[in-house]
Amino acid sequence: QKEVEQNSGPLSVPEGAIASLNCTYSDRVSQSFFWYRQYSGKSPELIMSIYSNGDKEDGRFTAQLNKASQYVSLLIRDSQPSDSATYLCAVISDNFNKFYFGSGTKLNVKP
Amino acid sequence: DAGVIQSPRHEVTEMGQEVTLRCKPISGHDYLFWYRQTMMRGLELLIYFNNNVPIDDSGMPEDRFSAKMPNASFSTLKIQPSEPRDSAVYFCASSFRGGEPQHFGDGTRLSIL
Repeated sequence: QKEVEQNSGPLSVPEGAIASLNCTYSDRVSQSFFWYRQYSGKSPELIMSIYSNGDKEDGRFTAQLNKASQYVSLLIRDSQPSDSATYLCAVISDNFNKFYFGSGTKLNVKP
Repeated sequence: DAGVIQSPRHEVTEMGQEVTLRCKPISGHDYLFWYRQTMMRGLELLIYFNNNVPIDDSGMPEDRFSAKMPNASFSTLKIQPSEPRDSAVYFCASSFRGGEPQHFGDGTRLSIL
């Protein structure tokens, strides 16, 4: 079992819809959770950080964390074609000595 | 503020040659990470440093790979001898503390012929 699991996609949504990206992790004591966006040929770019259970909103992005169920999700409201990219989930263990990235979910937003 | 700076951006070399990739982390960041990304294997952590000290190199694929961080503002990843299967994009990232998000450089696209 991988430490961080993501559906590779592609996930296709129409422009203006909500895109929902999910990530599960195996280390129960993980403490820090991040979502990165990576455009083709570019480096990963941080878009959201979340550290406690619940929702965290930033503009059109909402990160959701449920430590009991060991999943973290990213919602993108009013999806735009410019959101088309691969989204990577990252998890850090509680003693900050293990760093895991998921394999990413490719999102296509169709005009 | 300057981000993580990597050089070169592209490297094409022949099998058997030594390859050196360079990284300058964000000033004040205590952690430095080296990753390799391929289509098949995704983003793999090779090694990371805390305060210039290598902490975990379990991701280094074999003895042909080595990494150093002689000071807080510079790190190198060396492959000697290089092989075609080493072709990938190599990213360097840094973070302020262990639990903080990592910030990535633009990467080095390495092609071994």
